Amino acid sequence: AQRVTQPEKLLSVFKGAPVELKCNYSYSGSPELFWYVQYSRQRLQLLLRHISRESIKGFTADLNKGETSFHLKKPFAQEEDSAMYYCALTPYSGAGSYQLTFGKGTKLSVIP
Amino acid sequence: GAGVSQSPSNKVTEKGKDVELRCDPISGHTALYWYRQSLGQGLEFLIYFQGNSAPDKSGLPSDRFSAERTGGSVSTLTIQRTQQEDSAVYLCASSLDGTLFAETQYFGPGTRLLVL
Repeated sequence: AQRVTQPEKLLSVFKGAPVELKCNYSYSGSPELFWYVQYSRQRLQLLLRHISRESIKGFTADLNKGETSFHLKKPFAQEEDSAMYYCALTPYSGAGSYQLTFGKGTKLSVIP
Repeated sequence: GAGVSQSPSNKVTEKGKDVELRCDPISGHTALYWYRQSLGQGLEFLIYFQGNSAPDKSGLPSDRFSAERTGGSVSTLTIQRTQQEDSAVYLCASSLDGTLFAETQYFGPGTRLLVL
């Protein structure tokens, strides 16, 4: 079974400082990984997925299979980045599993 | 166009009663997903529909939970004999393509369920 760990429940950074939201996973196969974000009083939304190697709102995440990590990074935090962030994993689609496992989430607070 | 809608927005029920939650996906979206968000368990993925078919129901928390989708559109999540631990926000999402999680999902506002 797969597991996703986000070690920080709350992360506070100053505006303009770098941000790194940690995500570690446990899965024996090849996973697909995602970051979801939920801003206050807004709907949950997908932020980015590792397979598309995209950068959204200045955030990037690199899959490190050696360290089984998928940390979310942004060089300069903005106040509007304050939100709840969830890391999630699904087994590679060819594995025949249709599951998505979430971490417990990290609340990012950007201090003006 | 309209986004994903869910009804009711709030539901209060008594322990032991059945409840039915509805999701209207974005028109033309073939994939539909149900999630649950609670204080105790965080975010949980429940089930995925490709068209009217759900290939894997193992994410449903217990056999009191069932889901169906008809006409490739509306989906209902039914909880029988509700328990207090079922209290949560139930989220629905849809995406254009059926490739699991590969396409951007559009989330609904959720149904907040409270079981007394």
